[in-house]
Amino acid sequence: EAGVTQFPSHSVIEKGQTVTLRCDPISGHDNLYWYRRVMGKEIKFLLHFVKESKQDESGMPNNRFLAERTGGTYSTLKVQPAELEDSGVYFCASSQSPGQGSYGYTFGSGTRLTVV
Amino acid sequence: AQSVTQLGSHVSVSEGALVLLRCNYSSSVPPYLFWYVQYPNQGLQLLLKYTTGATLVKGINGFEAEFKKSETSFHLTKPSAHMSDAAEYFCAVSDQYGNNRLAFGKGNQVVVIP
Repeated sequence: EAGVTQFPSHSVIEKGQTVTLRCDPISGHDNLYWYRRVMGKEIKFLLHFVKESKQDESGMPNNRFLAERTGGTYSTLKVQPAELEDSGVYFCASSQSPGQGSYGYTFGSGTRLTVV
Repeated sequence: AQSVTQLGSHVSVSEGALVLLRCNYSSSVPPYLFWYVQYPNQGLQLLLKYTTGATLVKGINGFEAEFKKSETSFHLTKPSAHMSDAAEYFCAVSDQYGNNRLAFGKGNQVVVIP
Protein backbone atom coordinates (compact mmCIF):
# COMPACT_ATOMS: atom_id res chain seq x y z
CA GLU A 1 0.00 0.00 0.00
CA ALA A 2 1.11 3.56 -0.60
CA GLY A 3 2.40 5.33 2.47
CA VAL A 4 1.63 8.74 3.86
CA THR A 5 2.64 11.36 1.33
CA GLN A 6 3.56 14.90 2.17
CA PHE A 7 4.45 17.76 -0.10
CA PRO A 8 6.30 19.81 -0.65
CA SER A 9 9.28 18.11 0.93
CA HIS A 10 10.96 21.48 1.40
CA SER A 11 9.67 25.02 1.38
CA VAL A 12 11.53 28.27 1.88
CA ILE A 13 9.38 31.37 2.25
CA GLU A 14 9.79 34.89 3.48
CA LYS A 15 8.35 36.11 6.73
CA GLY A 16 4.80 37.30 6.18
CA GLN A 17 4.08 34.99 3.27
CA THR A 18 1.60 32.15 3.23
CA VAL A 19 2.46 28.49 2.88
CA THR A 20 0.23 25.46 2.52
CA LEU A 21 1.42 22.00 3.39
CA ARG A 22 -0.41 18.95 2.15
CA CYS A 23 -0.73 15.45 3.52
CA ASP A 24 -2.25 12.45 1.79
CA PRO A 25 -2.88 9.70 4.33
CA ILE A 26 -3.04 6.01 3.64
CA SER A 27 -6.30 5.21 1.91
CA GLY A 28 -8.96 4.20 4.39
CA HIS A 29 -7.23 5.71 7.41
CA ASP A 30 -9.79 7.81 9.24
CA ASN A 31 -7.32 9.28 11.69
CA LEU A 32 -4.90 11.93 10.53
CA TYR A 33 -2.42 13.79 12.72
CA TRP A 34 -0.09 16.73 12.31
CA TYR A 35 3.08 17.09 14.34
CA ARG A 36 5.91 19.61 14.22
CA ARG A 37 9.53 19.56 15.18
CA VAL A 38 11.24 22.85 15.74
CA MET A 39 15.02 22.56 15.56
CA GLY A 40 16.51 21.19 18.75
CA LYS A 41 13.16 20.50 20.30
CA GLU A 42 10.80 17.58 20.65
CA ILE A 43 8.33 16.53 18.00
CA LYS A 44 5.08 18.07 19.20
CA PHE A 45 1.46 17.27 18.48
CA LEU A 46 -0.53 19.87 16.58
CA LEU A 47 -3.90 18.33 15.86
CA HIS A 48 -5.91 15.21 15.12
CA PHE A 49 -8.66 14.65 12.55
CA VAL A 50 -11.15 11.84 12.55
CA LYS A 51 -12.40 11.81 9.01
CA GLU A 52 -13.16 15.45 8.26
CA SER A 53 -13.71 16.50 11.88
CA LYS A 54 -11.13 18.02 14.18
CA GLN A 55 -10.97 15.69 17.17
CA ASP A 56 -8.27 17.57 19.03
CA GLU A 57 -6.59 20.80 17.96
CA SER A 58 -5.16 21.74 21.31
CA GLY A 59 -1.61 21.66 20.01
CA MET A 60 -2.08 24.34 17.35
CA PRO A 61 0.24 27.18 18.35
CA ASN A 62 -1.92 30.13 17.33
CA ASN A 63 -4.57 31.31 14.88
CA ARG A 64 -2.05 31.76 12.09
CA PHE A 65 -2.32 28.01 11.59
CA LEU A 66 -5.36 26.58 9.83
CA ALA A 67 -5.84 22.88 9.15
CA GLU A 68 -8.50 21.34 6.98
CA ARG A 69 -9.36 17.88 5.81
CA THR A 70 -11.64 17.97 2.85
CA GLY A 71 -14.03 15.03 2.60
CA GLY A 72 -12.01 13.07 5.08
CA THR A 73 -9.24 12.43 2.59
CA TYR A 74 -6.17 14.64 2.26
CA SER A 75 -5.37 17.40 4.69
CA THR A 76 -3.80 20.82 4.36
CA LEU A 77 -2.06 22.93 6.94
CA LYS A 78 -1.85 26.59 6.09
CA VAL A 79 0.37 29.06 7.85
CA GLN A 80 -0.63 32.69 7.27
CA PRO A 81 1.31 34.87 7.77
CA ALA A 82 4.44 32.86 8.43
CA GLU A 83 6.83 33.92 11.17
CA LEU A 84 10.46 32.95 11.73
CA GLU A 85 9.54 30.69 14.66
CA ASP A 86 7.35 28.59 12.37
CA SER A 87 10.45 27.06 10.80
CA GLY A 88 10.74 23.36 11.40
CA VAL A 89 9.74 19.97 10.08
CA TYR A 90 6.03 19.27 9.84
CA PHE A 91 5.05 15.62 9.99
CA CYS A 92 1.77 14.07 9.07
CA ALA A 93 0.68 10.64 10.26
CA SER A 94 -2.35 8.45 9.75
CA SER A 95 -3.87 5.54 11.58
CA GLN A 96 -6.55 3.03 10.81
CA SER A 97 -7.35 2.37 14.44
CA PRO A 98 -10.61 4.01 15.44
CA GLY A 99 -9.54 5.38 18.73
CA GLN A 100 -6.28 4.15 20.16
CA GLY A 101 -2.70 4.94 19.48
CA SER A 102 -1.70 1.41 20.34
CA TYR A 103 -1.17 0.42 16.75
CA GLY A 104 1.30 3.13 16.07
CA TYR A 105 0.91 5.60 13.30
CA THR A 106 2.36 5.65 9.81
CA PHE A 107 4.30 8.84 9.36
CA GLY A 108 5.11 10.75 6.23
CA SER A 109 8.59 12.01 5.40
CA GLY A 110 7.77 15.49 6.57
CA THR A 111 7.88 18.96 5.09
CA ARG A 112 10.87 21.07 6.06
CA LEU A 113 9.68 24.66 6.30
CA THR A 114 12.18 27.47 6.48
CA VAL A 115 10.96 31.01 7.06
CA VAL A 116 13.55 33.68 6.27
CA ALA B 1 0.21 15.30 30.90
CA GLN B 2 2.58 12.73 29.56
CA SER B 3 6.25 13.31 28.85
CA VAL B 4 9.37 11.48 27.78
CA THR B 5 13.00 12.04 28.71
CA GLN B 6 15.81 10.92 26.45
CA LEU B 7 19.23 11.94 27.63
CA GLY B 8 22.20 12.52 25.39
CA SER B 9 21.22 14.04 22.07
CA HIS B 10 24.18 12.40 20.30
CA VAL B 11 25.27 8.84 21.00
CA SER B 12 28.37 7.30 19.48
CA VAL B 13 28.76 3.56 19.37
CA SER B 14 31.39 1.35 17.79
CA GLU B 15 30.35 -1.10 15.13
CA GLY B 16 29.63 -4.42 16.83
CA ALA B 17 29.12 -2.86 20.25
CA LEU B 18 25.95 -2.72 22.30
CA VAL B 19 23.46 0.01 21.46
CA LEU B 20 21.64 1.33 24.52
CA LEU B 21 19.26 4.26 24.31
CA ARG B 22 17.53 5.29 27.50
CA CYS B 23 13.93 6.42 27.74
CA ASN B 24 12.05 7.41 30.86
CA TYR B 25 8.44 8.44 30.73
CA SER B 26 5.92 10.17 32.90
CA SER B 27 2.28 9.19 32.71
CA SER B 28 -0.57 9.26 35.19
CA VAL B 29 -2.35 6.42 33.37
CA PRO B 30 -1.11 3.13 31.90
CA PRO B 31 1.03 4.01 28.93
CA TYR B 32 1.54 2.81 25.44
CA LEU B 33 5.23 3.17 24.59
CA PHE B 34 6.93 3.41 21.23
CA TRP B 35 10.33 3.70 19.65
CA TYR B 36 10.56 5.34 16.24
CA VAL B 37 13.58 5.68 13.99
CA GLN B 38 14.24 8.30 11.36
CA TYR B 39 16.83 7.58 8.71
CA PRO B 40 18.20 10.49 6.70
CA ASN B 41 15.63 12.03 4.37
CA GLN B 42 12.95 9.59 5.45
CA GLY B 43 9.90 9.66 7.69
CA LEU B 44 9.51 8.23 11.16
CA GLN B 45 9.39 4.45 11.13
CA LEU B 46 8.02 2.38 13.98
CA LEU B 47 10.73 0.17 15.50
CA LEU B 48 8.65 -1.43 18.24
CA LYS B 49 5.84 -0.77 20.67
CA TYR B 50 4.59 -1.84 24.06
CA THR B 51 0.85 -1.91 24.65
CA THR B 52 0.00 -4.61 27.17
CA GLY B 53 1.26 -8.08 27.98
CA ALA B 54 4.87 -9.13 27.65
CA THR B 55 7.18 -6.43 28.91
CA LEU B 56 10.10 -7.40 26.67
CA VAL B 57 9.25 -6.27 23.18
CA LYS B 58 11.14 -7.21 20.05
CA GLY B 59 11.17 -4.98 17.03
CA ILE B 60 12.66 -4.71 13.60
CA ASN B 61 16.36 -4.79 12.76
CA GLY B 62 17.32 -6.66 15.94
CA PHE B 63 16.17 -4.01 18.39
CA GLU B 64 14.30 -4.74 21.58
CA ALA B 65 13.03 -2.77 24.56
CA GLU B 66 11.83 -3.64 28.02
CA PHE B 67 8.98 -1.91 29.82
CA LYS B 68 9.78 -1.48 33.49
CA LYS B 69 6.85 0.06 35.29
CA SER B 70 8.68 0.43 38.60
CA GLU B 71 11.41 2.44 36.88
CA THR B 72 9.08 4.18 34.39
CA SER B 73 11.53 3.20 31.70
CA PHE B 74 11.50 1.77 28.20
CA HIS B 75 15.14 1.50 27.18
CA LEU B 76 16.06 0.40 23.66
CA THR B 77 18.88 -2.05 23.04
CA LYS B 78 20.59 -3.89 20.23
CA PRO B 79 23.41 -6.32 21.01
CA SER B 80 25.62 -5.44 18.06
CA ALA B 81 25.57 -2.13 16.22
CA HIS B 82 25.71 -2.05 12.45
CA MET B 83 26.65 0.86 10.26
CA SER B 84 23.08 0.94 8.97
CA ASP B 85 21.83 1.75 12.49
CA ALA B 86 23.05 5.33 12.14
CA ALA B 87 19.86 7.34 12.46
CA GLU B 88 17.82 9.37 14.92
CA TYR B 89 15.77 7.47 17.46
CA PHE B 90 12.69 8.77 19.27
CA CYS B 91 10.89 7.38 22.27
CA ALA B 92 7.21 8.27 22.53
CA VAL B 93 4.29 7.68 24.88
CA SER B 94 0.54 7.77 24.57
CA ASP B 95 -2.08 6.47 26.94
CA GLN B 96 -4.48 3.55 27.00
CA TYR B 97 -7.61 5.59 27.50
CA GLY B 98 -8.22 7.06 24.10
CA ASN B 99 -5.77 9.93 24.02
CA ASN B 100 -4.27 9.54 20.60
CA ARG B 101 -1.51 12.03 21.01
CA LEU B 102 2.07 10.93 21.08
CA ALA B 103 4.44 12.76 23.39
CA PHE B 104 8.00 12.44 22.09
CA GLY B 105 11.41 12.69 23.63
CA LYS B 106 14.02 14.96 22.07
CA GLY B 107 15.60 12.09 20.19
CA ASN B 108 19.01 10.44 20.09
CA GLN B 109 21.22 10.87 17.05
CA VAL B 110 23.19 7.62 16.82
CA VAL B 111 26.57 7.63 15.12
CA VAL B 112 28.20 4.26 14.41
CA ILE B 113 31.98 4.30 14.37
CA PRO B 114 33.66 1.73 12.13
